[in-house]
Amino acid sequence: DAGVIQSPRHEVTEMGQEVTLRCKPISGHDYLFWYRQTMMRGLELLIYFNNNVPIDDSGMPEDRFSAKMPNASFSTLKIQPSEPRDSAVYFCASSPGHNNEKLFFGSGTQLSVL
Amino acid sequence: SQQGEEDPQALSIQEGENATMNCSYKTSINNLQWYRQNSGRGLVHLILIRSNEREKHSGRLRVTLDTSKKSSSLLITASRAADTASYFCATEAYKFYFGSGTKLNVKP
Repeated sequence: DAGVIQSPRHEVTEMGQEVTLRCKPISGHDYLFWYRQTMMRGLELLIYFNNNVPIDDSGMPEDRFSAKMPNASFSTLKIQPSEPRDSAVYFCASSPGHNNEKLFFGSGTQLSVL
Repeated sequence: SQQGEEDPQALSIQEGENATMNCSYKTSINNLQWYRQNSGRGLVHLILIRSNEREKHSGRLRVTLDTSKKSSSLLITASRAADTASYFCATEAYKFYFGSGTKLNVKP
């Protein structure tokens, strides 16, 4: 199994541009999570899906952020328009299910908004 | 917030010594997990302890859980330079919440 795959690995963009981060979870995993990691705030849970349905998006910081999961093998996190304070590492993680299940993380996308 | 909080924030030890990290949390949990993050990489799961367990071992790792005190500890015995990383506890109660982590530096 290739694990959770995220792309791109690095993204540098200018303020105001749209940014799309992509994630392919591990096949068969029912849960998908998007996290953001910064030095100041640590790891923040942005949103999570169960069977492609968004369950809790209370961590999404602003309306500029949106996430979709059109099918079981693909999810996107979009920021439009991007701002410098969005600079962070964004991680996608998947899990087989709830009840004592661990998370499998991707390698992350390092986003820099200039 | 249900976030776990690790203590200390940073720890520097010599190779061969034991490293102990602590985690405190605020609300009831289903389980508590410890993860490791090497610089520039994603988090990797180390060990999971359920709310009805008190202690668990995995290789050089020993985890304890005290639900009455809402705290957990991770002990790494006979540390190696390769153990240098950040360690996070995560509490799971329908969502996974991570603490701010302990940066462990093991000097060769």
